[in-house]
This record gives sequence, C-alpha cells and structure tokens, in this order.
Amino acid sequence: DAGVIQSPRHEVTEMGQEVTLRCKPISGHDYLFWYRQTMMRGLELLIYFNNNVPIDDSGMPEDRFSAKMPNASFSTLKIQPSEPRDSAVYFCASSGAGTSYEQYFGPGTRLTVT
Amino acid sequence: RKEVEQDPGPFNVPEGATVAFNCTYSNSASQSFFWYRQDCRKEPKLLMSVYSSGNEDGRFTAQLNRASQYISLLIRDSKLSDSATYLCVVNKGNSGYALNFGKGTSLLVTP
Repeated sequence: DAGVIQSPRHEVTEMGQEVTLRCKPISGHDYLFWYRQTMMRGLELLIYFNNNVPIDDSGMPEDRFSAKMPNASFSTLKIQPSEPRDSAVYFCASSGAGTSYEQYFGPGTRLTVT
Repeated sequence: RKEVEQDPGPFNVPEGATVAFNCTYSNSASQSFFWYRQDCRKEPKLLMSVYSSGNEDGRFTAQLNRASQYISLLIRDSKLSDSATYLCVVNKGNSGYALNFGKGTSLLVTP
C-alpha cells in the first residue's frame, strides 16, 4: 500500500520566492493535516481538512501561507513570499474513519529559505 | 502554558534498562492520547494509543492519569533500536482528529 506521498522531498529557495508543497493522502482517508516541525517549536498543526473542506486553519502562521485541497487525492501548501524563518520540515498526514484517529505521516519536505 | 509538555532529555540508558517518560497536558477536555515515535530525520509514527485503564504492547506500557492530566510510557528491556524521539500526543479538546504534539523526549540506548 502506498503511504502518504509528499513532494518535493527537499526544497531550497531564496527569500521572496513562492514555494508550493504537495501531498497525496492515503486512498480512502478523509482527513488531511499539514504540520511544520522545527527544533524550537516542535511539531505544529497548521491546518486540516475533512472531505476536502478546511476545518481549522488557526495554526497557519500568517497570510503568506495558504492551503488547498481541490480533491480527495491532492493538497497543496503554498508560501508566498517565503522568508528564512519559514525554513522547517513540513509534514502532511492523513487519517480516516476506522483508524482510531491514528495519523499516517508522509516523509516530509525539508524547506530551506536563504 | 504549552498544551503538551515533555522532558526533552536526552535519556541515555544501557541496553536492557527500563526507562520511563512522562508528559502533562493542559486541556482537560482531551479524550484521545497517544505516543508516537520519530527516528532521526524521519516522519513520526504511531507507537501506541493510551487508554484510561492503561495498556501494554510487548515491552511498552502506557498509563493515563486523567485527574492529574499526566501520561507515561515505560520501556522495559530497552534495545538499541529503541533509540529515537518519543512524542506525547493529545487530541485538541474540540476535535477528535486534530492533535497536539509534545516536543518529544530523546532516548539513546547504548551497548
């Protein structure tokens, strides 16, 4: 079974550039989560979707961040414009009915903004 | 106060030792509790759920104290392969699916 798929795995970009991170959840899962992990702040929930609808985006740091889920098999997290403090590992996770709330994480995208 | 607090460690223990990690959470409305494991430069993975009556999975035992809002994880007969960061996880009180993660406790098991 394919797990959660994220791309790219690594991204290096310059300050001010737009960054788009992609995620394909596990087939059949109806919840999708975006997290950011840094040494200082740990793993933070940015936003999550249920049946492609954003449910809670209170963790999105500011207007430079946006997330979409146009269909059940694809989501994007966009940062525009990017700043050095956005450097982190961004994880996507999915969950579904019958998983007892267990979240399955993708391998993450390591973002470096110079 | 942070939603989920853990001692970051590191805990350095010899193979075969017993080690315990603790965690406190702030939201009394939380209903779901977990321990996740994260290896270096990898994604977090569920280790075990934590039930009110306590539960055991092989060498791992998890306990929950709702009155004190405290969760523990005990690892017996530790193996080199147990070296990882252990994340205490609690659901947000108003959502079963949204989770708050602690910053993790680092464990290093040495030969």
